[in-house]
Amino acid sequence: GAVVSQHPSRVICKSGTSVKIECRSLDFQATTMFWYRQFPKQSLMLMATSNEGSKATYEQGVEKDKFLINHASLTLSTLTVTSAHPEDSSFYICSATEVQNTEAFFGQGTRLTVV
Amino acid sequence: GQQLNQSPQSMFIQEGEDVSMNCTSSSIFNTWLWYKQDPGEGPVLLIALYKAGELTSNGRLTAQFGITRKDSFLNISASIPSDVGIYFCAGRFDQFYFGTGTSLTVIP
Repeated sequence: GAVVSQHPSRVICKSGTSVKIECRSLDFQATTMFWYRQFPKQSLMLMATSNEGSKATYEQGVEKDKFLINHASLTLSTLTVTSAHPEDSSFYICSATEVQNTEAFFGQGTRLTVV
Repeated sequence: GQQLNQSPQSMFIQEGEDVSMNCTSSSIFNTWLWYKQDPGEGPVLLIALYKAGELTSNGRLTAQFGITRKDSFLNISASIPSDVGIYFCAGRFDQFYFGTGTSLTVIP
């Protein structure tokens, strides 16, 4: 299957700082990327959908000014958690899909801890 | 967002036993996908289904796309310890919708 690389895998940051998470499709062009948040022992919660070159579409309840998403190229999307707080600590996962492909491939996930 | 009803929520089985889990939805989907997630990792695609009634195998795994397009099941035959993990179904129409997950524990 296609490869999606997410970086970093773990990050610890101080409250009030910002953290950027990268999601790259390594062997295909990802016209659409999805960002999820996952709490322990729970399913994936969709945060936003981003299409290359356009603004991301955020799910209800997700603050777009707090979770900045940029999908500037067909192989890279970034999620920036701004002014992080301890309650933002979570597992964040991206996935990517090609326009003709109906499968989604996931990154390895990023464990964010805000102290 | 919408979530699919996935059952069972958890399973504890002996090594060598077969496993069956399923997902149901009130909406129809064009695609059903099954993923496995290990702790601290992202989900890995196991099987993708594209047509109603389709039955697809991947080694010891078999999955079917329900005729009504509102359900799918995943079977694992002759389970082994490395099958341990959380299994998610996903349905796609306009976007992906995920099941609540089935946590599988295999007892050697």
